[in-house]
Amino acid sequence: AQKVTQAQTEISVVEKEDVTLDCVYETRDTTYYLFWYKQPPSGELVFLIRRNSFDEQNEISGRYSWNFQKSTSSFNFTITASQVVDSAVYFCALSARFGNEKLTFGTGTRLTIIP
Amino acid sequence: EPEVTQTPSHQVTQMGQEVILRCVPISNHLYFYWYRQILGQKVEFLVSFYNNEISEKSEIFDDQFSVERPDGSNFTLKIRSTKLEDSAMYFCASATSGSVNEQFFGPGTRLTVL
Repeated sequence: AQKVTQAQTEISVVEKEDVTLDCVYETRDTTYYLFWYKQPPSGELVFLIRRNSFDEQNEISGRYSWNFQKSTSSFNFTITASQVVDSAVYFCALSARFGNEKLTFGTGTRLTIIP
Repeated sequence: EPEVTQTPSHQVTQMGQEVILRCVPISNHLYFYWYRQILGQKVEFLVSFYNNEISEKSEIFDDQFSVERPDGSNFTLKIRSTKLEDSAMYFCASATSGSVNEQFFGPGTRLTVL
């Protein structure tokens, strides 16, 4: 069975601070995909990143960066120099080895950026 | 940029009534999904659909639920007799074939059962 744990329910930081959202996953598959989605107050799910289990390179996209560590089954997400527009719920998700499998989501972390 | 659309954006219904939630996936996509998010909770998988049949369904997807792709463009979720606990946001998603598995989500339909 697959499981995604986001232990941080809510985080508040002051604007311009850096913040890291944690994600720990469990799977028996040797090949899998990890994702981060953003859900702003308007409710839609915005895709941020996909990473497959063979690619442990960290990725940076602007103020966003992701740290994938297979040894600890973690896929953490860091926002540098946070902005008020980053306020949202962030979900980590996992899918099984084959393409087009269902996504298993974590419970989400509500991030509030205080101006 | 192509996107998944869903109608209606908000549906209010009485308990016991049937509802149909509609989705128009991205046109060249072959895999379709429904997910549900009860207010304040995580997003949960309901069902996946490929080649005109259900690929996988969750425990939530019981006999009250059905999916259909009636005309090659729409993808619908029907709830036969709604219960209070069906109140949630319902997201449709679609994906191309292959191993990439990037699912594109629609904006969601908020279902309120009174």
